[in-house]
Amino acid sequence: GEQVEQLPSILRVQEGSSASINCSYEDSASNYFPWYKQEPGENPKLIIDIRSNMERKQIQELIVLLDKKAKRFSLHITDTQPGDSAMYFCAASGGFASALTFGSGTKVIPCLP
Amino acid sequence: GPKVLQIPSHQIIDMGQMVTLNCDPVSNHLYFYWYKQILGQQMEFLVNFYNGKVMEKSKLFKDQFSVERPDGSYFTLKIQPTALEDSAVYFCASSLALRDWDTLYFGAGTRLSVL
Repeated sequence: GEQVEQLPSILRVQEGSSASINCSYEDSASNYFPWYKQEPGENPKLIIDIRSNMERKQIQELIVLLDKKAKRFSLHITDTQPGDSAMYFCAASGGFASALTFGSGTKVIPCLP
Repeated sequence: GPKVLQIPSHQIIDMGQMVTLNCDPVSNHLYFYWYKQILGQQMEFLVNFYNGKVMEKSKLFKDQFSVERPDGSYFTLKIQPTALEDSAVYFCASSLALRDWDTLYFGAGTRLSVL
């Protein structure tokens, strides 16, 4: 089945700087790659996604990149702010027909410059 | 926006007891899912359910697990009997159609503590 690796597990980033989270997947048939933000005690919320027919997508301060050949995708939070503090999970469709395979998560911790 | 409600938010039970986790999916959704998240780890797929039947299940969906949605009410996950390793947060999700990722919504989870 699909396996998704996510790094780093913890990311401390200065406020105003860019945060980058990297994921890789195994199943070349995966064609949908969402990113979820999960705050403590809350449900995971979709923040941005990319499909396999795209290489780059941006929504406000969030940028996702997809390299299908390398089977890698990444999330970049430009201008990180205190409100970006959360766990971030990447995921890939694949393996099961209707389920997502999640990465192990990245805890983003914005800190003062 | 659309919400998936999960009741209760936290449940504490003794090992060997039965537990039922309840999920109220988005009203017009047809596909329902359970995911399991052990503390500090990723969510892992357990099962999906459509038209009264389990469609797919992972190896985490043990024989002690069952799901149902009687008469369009709550979508439930029952564990009987529970084991210590069942302690986790269980997330329910629903979607309008298969692989309709744009309509996939997660609930806030039920934290299950098995003592």
